[in-house]
Amino acid sequence: QVTLKESGPVLVKPTETLTLTCTVSGFSLTDPRMGVSWIRQAPGKALECLAHFFATDGKFYNPSLINRLTISEDSSRGQVVLTMANMDPVDTATYFCVRNYYDSSAYYILDYWGQGTPVTVSS
Amino acid sequence: EIVMTQSPATLSLSPGERATLSCRASQSISINLAWFQQKPGQAPRLLISGASTRVAGVPARFSGSGSGTDFTLTISSLQSDDFAIYYCQQYSDFPRYTFGQGTRVEIK
Repeated sequence: QVTLKESGPVLVKPTETLTLTCTVSGFSLTDPRMGVSWIRQAPGKALECLAHFFATDGKFYNPSLINRLTISEDSSRGQVVLTMANMDPVDTATYFCVRNYYDSSAYYILDYWGQGTPVTVSS
Repeated sequence: EIVMTQSPATLSLSPGERATLSCRASQSISINLAWFQQKPGQAPRLLISGASTRVAGVPARFSGSGSGTDFTLTISSLQSDDFAIYYCQQYSDFPRYTFGQGTRVEIK
């Protein structure tokens, strides 16, 4: 059974760095068909991709946020960690980690989602 | 960036009615399109990939069509469990995935 679970602080102050952890089970982060993305959803806004980790293809970042984001992985613990620096109230959102699966179409599909973790940025 | 535009923003229908949701890409994405369903307080759930392939366990009343820039999600006969927000997402432009703004299907 594939599961992803996000963890991290509910409240951060402006200018602080946010650290979120995604713990996965039911698949391996070293599987060449797999990847994990961090995606956020601000209230009333569209879903926005932040960063991706792929076992085969490496790491990618949203160009508009690249200077603030770092994604890392610990395969032995089944975890993918996202850090976002210099948090601002506009970063208030629910943050999801999502599995990417490389399917027969030769593209990655976002097939399993974590429940999401809400983050509020406020002083 | 490929911009995904969904219409309408809200669809007010009664149970048993047919729902037709549209999604348009700002440039051709072939059939590299997915549809998701999201209920309040829940994560999005993948319904369809490849524009028309239902994920295992998704009821047959959900169908997807289209290619290139214009896509449709049809729910043939709305059930109470189907009232939710639906998002389209392109994955053609790897890894710069983008989502539409969503269509809310509400009970009339």
